[in-house]
Amino acid sequence: DTAVSQTPKYLVTQMGNDKSIKCEQNLGHDTMYWYKQDSKKFLKIMFSYNNKELIINETVPNRFSPKSPDKAHLNLHINSLELGDSAVYFCASSQMDTNSPLHFGNGTRLTVT
Amino acid sequence: GNSVTQMEGPVTLSEEAFLTINCTYTATGYPSLFWYVQYPGEGLQLLLKATKADDKGSNKGFEATYRKETTSFHLEKGSVQVSDSAVYFCALSGGSYIPTFGRGTSLIVHP
Repeated sequence: DTAVSQTPKYLVTQMGNDKSIKCEQNLGHDTMYWYKQDSKKFLKIMFSYNNKELIINETVPNRFSPKSPDKAHLNLHINSLELGDSAVYFCASSQMDTNSPLHFGNGTRLTVT
Repeated sequence: GNSVTQMEGPVTLSEEAFLTINCTYTATGYPSLFWYVQYPGEGLQLLLKATKADDKGSNKGFEATYRKETTSFHLEKGSVQVSDSAVYFCALSGGSYIPTFGRGTSLIVHP
């Protein structure tokens, strides 16, 4: 059973389009995250939700909008895609306690042409 | 703010060589420290962790010790294998800390 699953795995689209990435976790965790990984492997946190409430919102263009319908799901919608949005996007989850590691999905490779 | 600094790669080694990947952190207080590994086309996986000063995390022959005095958490392995080739990330998190990752260090092990 996949613990953190993201769909789609690959997403190729043109500039100006709107797209969504879905994430689900079956670990019973209360906190979920979106990270962006660039071509040099640098991981930058974008958002975090705890029990469906936004708790971290880093400096991200407002074209990116997260949505958490319940604590097992955190989706990412991106409007008006730009070339610079091309990256791998990772969803992750954890328990909100000191020692809990993050559990990552396998990523969504977004290519904007 | 909090940050994690790790050595730049790639680190290229022959099989059975000794591995060290340096990691230092900046944080107020005492976060938990982690090493994650990322294989091609996959997400990050937890490799090991340490939750307080002087704790040693270990897994699959890898070890790292939480050194408060030097704010370090260096990753070591006595004898690397080709299958260890991956990107390794040092990270801090826990409590009120935003999970923060280093830039990743690519390890390439040749037969």
